[in-house]
Amino acid sequence: AQSVTQPDIHITVSEGASLELRCNYSYGATPYLFWYVQSPGQGLQLLLKYFSGDTLVQGIKGFEAEFKRSQSSFNLRKPSVHWSDAAEYFCAVGGVYSGGGADGLTFGKGTHLIIQP
Amino acid sequence: IAGITQAPTSQILAAGRRMTLRCTQDMRHNAMYWYRQDLGLGLRLIHYSNTAGTTGKGEVPDGYSVSRANTDDFPLTLASAVPSQTSVYFCASSDSVAPDTQYFGPGTRLTVL
Repeated sequence: AQSVTQPDIHITVSEGASLELRCNYSYGATPYLFWYVQSPGQGLQLLLKYFSGDTLVQGIKGFEAEFKRSQSSFNLRKPSVHWSDAAEYFCAVGGVYSGGGADGLTFGKGTHLIIQP
Repeated sequence: IAGITQAPTSQILAAGRRMTLRCTQDMRHNAMYWYRQDLGLGLRLIHYSNTAGTTGKGEVPDGYSVSRANTDDFPLTLASAVPSQTSVYFCASSDSVAPDTQYFGPGTRLTVL
């Protein structure tokens, strides 16, 4: 069964500093990987996704992520964070649930990003 | 374009009561999903539907049922609510059943007392 690990529950970063959020996955085949962001009281918004091809993917709001198959990682990065980036970030992997045929997503438990002024 | 709408926004429910959470999408997506979000646990898949007329179980299906009578609607029913079903529920949809971008609704906050 697939799984996603986000080792950092909370991360605090100063405004203007760089950011890296870690994501490790376990999946038996070629993974389809996603990063979503959730602002307080809101639903989830897709930041970026990796299906195949270039292992460095660009997303919205200045975010990027790099797929490293050898490390089973898909870390999210941003060179300079803004106060508006404070939110919960979820990494997810596409998979097939046992007994089914559809592909729901398996999510990590999330990383809460705090921005210091 | 509304995307995905969910109703109600929030609900407080007595244990043992029946409750249906509504989800409607206007994107004509084939696949729809229900997740629950609990603090420290992320989102977990409850049920999914590849296409109208078909449904399947996700990671945490017990105590929940779904139906998919048409493309747009995917209601989630709690037949007899229990306190452990207190959670925030998100409906999502995607254009295909292959691993694809899922679009999420705003969520329903449910409290079972």
